[in-house]
Amino acid sequence: AQTVTQSQPEMSVQEAETVTLSCTYDTSESDYYLFWYKQPPSRQMILVIRQEAYKQQNATENRFSVNFQKAAKSFSLKISDSQLGDAAMYFCAYRPQGGSEKLVFGKGTKLTVNP
Amino acid sequence: GAGVSQSPSNKVTEKGKDVELRCDPISGHTALYWYRQSLGQGLEFLIYFQGNSAPDKSGLPSDRFSAERTGGSVSTLTIQRTQQEDSAVYLCASRDGGAVTYGYTFGSGTRLTVV
Repeated sequence: AQTVTQSQPEMSVQEAETVTLSCTYDTSESDYYLFWYKQPPSRQMILVIRQEAYKQQNATENRFSVNFQKAAKSFSLKISDSQLGDAAMYFCAYRPQGGSEKLVFGKGTKLTVNP
Repeated sequence: GAGVSQSPSNKVTEKGKDVELRCDPISGHTALYWYRQSLGQGLEFLIYFQGNSAPDKSGLPSDRFSAERTGGSVSTLTIQRTQQEDSAVYLCASRDGGAVTYGYTFGSGTRLTVV
């Protein structure tokens, strides 16, 4: 079964600085998708960034970028120029190609942004 | 509607009572997922509906949990004889399953407290 591991239960960063959240996963599949979701206190999961496993180029969305290492099964999220509004729980998720295409989530990292 | 709507937002129930949680997906989204988020944990898959296909119930933790989706739209998650360990946030997500897309839209969840 696929598993997703986030080894940092909590992280903190100073406003305007850069922080990296770690994620590793375990799968025997070759085609899959990886996601980072943000969950503010409102509870709604918000997609931050996604990566297709067949793409070698790392995904980037404004201040958010990933370091995808397929062989190492690692998928870290870098947040640059951190803002107070970035404070939230961040979840890494894996989705296989095909089947029910359900998302498998890690346990999350709580990010605090200090002014 | 514009987003995934879940009701009620919060529910407090007595141990042993039955509860029903409702999810209104985005109109036209054929795929619908239920997840459970216990305190300090990631999201745990419960059940998946896709169009008229038989649902994937592999994540339901016990036979006290059931779900249905009427007319391919609204879904109801029912928990019978609630236990304290059922206390969690129950999140619903929908997706346009007919297209080559992987955009899941989540609702804000129902926080269930069993006392």
